[in-house]
Amino acid sequence: GDSVTQMEGPVTLSEEAFLTINCTYTATGYPSLFWYVQYPGEGLQLLLKATKADDKGSNKGFEATYRKETTSFHLEKGSVQVSDSAVYFCALSDAASGGSYIPTFGRGTSLIVHP
Amino acid sequence: NAGVMQNPRHLVRRRGQEARLRCSPMKGHSHVYWYRQLPEEGLKFMVYLQKENIIDESGMPKERFSAEFPKEGPSILRIQQVVRGDSAAYFCASSLSQGLSSNQPQHFGDGTRLSIL
Repeated sequence: GDSVTQMEGPVTLSEEAFLTINCTYTATGYPSLFWYVQYPGEGLQLLLKATKADDKGSNKGFEATYRKETTSFHLEKGSVQVSDSAVYFCALSDAASGGSYIPTFGRGTSLIVHP
Repeated sequence: NAGVMQNPRHLVRRRGQEARLRCSPMKGHSHVYWYRQLPEEGLKFMVYLQKENIIDESGMPKERFSAEFPKEGPSILRIQQVVRGDSAAYFCASSLSQGLSSNQPQHFGDGTRLSIL
């Protein structure tokens, strides 16, 4: 079945540091890949997505590139802010290629940014 | 704001009572998913519904839990005879479609935090 593996948190950084949160996946078909962000007390919000190999999703300074050869979709940001502190979830959806129509989420990675 | 609306935001119940959680999907969305999130854990899929139909309930406990998405009105997640272990945040998400035009992102509500005394 499909699965998503994220690096364990918490990831603790100082403001303006470089961020990488690793995400790898296994899928039966050719999935679309997503990053969601969850701020305290709120639901998940879509951060960015990519639907095919070598696509780069980007939003709010975050970006991730769909790497089919390494089955990865690592999240990066060049300079984090305190307001980026949240939990980040990597996810995949395999429905269009005949896989499960239930999106698969990683366990989430907590990011804490200090001033 | 036409986002996914969940209510109540917080719900407190005593053991043995019933909990009813409501979810109104985004306008135009006919696919609803329910998830449970425990502290320090990821999202666990519970059930996937379309209007008047349960498509996949493989993640939902066989007893005490039920879900519906009627033709009119919100989707309801119902937990009967609640126990302490039901304490969690329950999230609803909706999406536009499935099938060949699928892989649409899900839009989430802010969740219902259920506490069992």
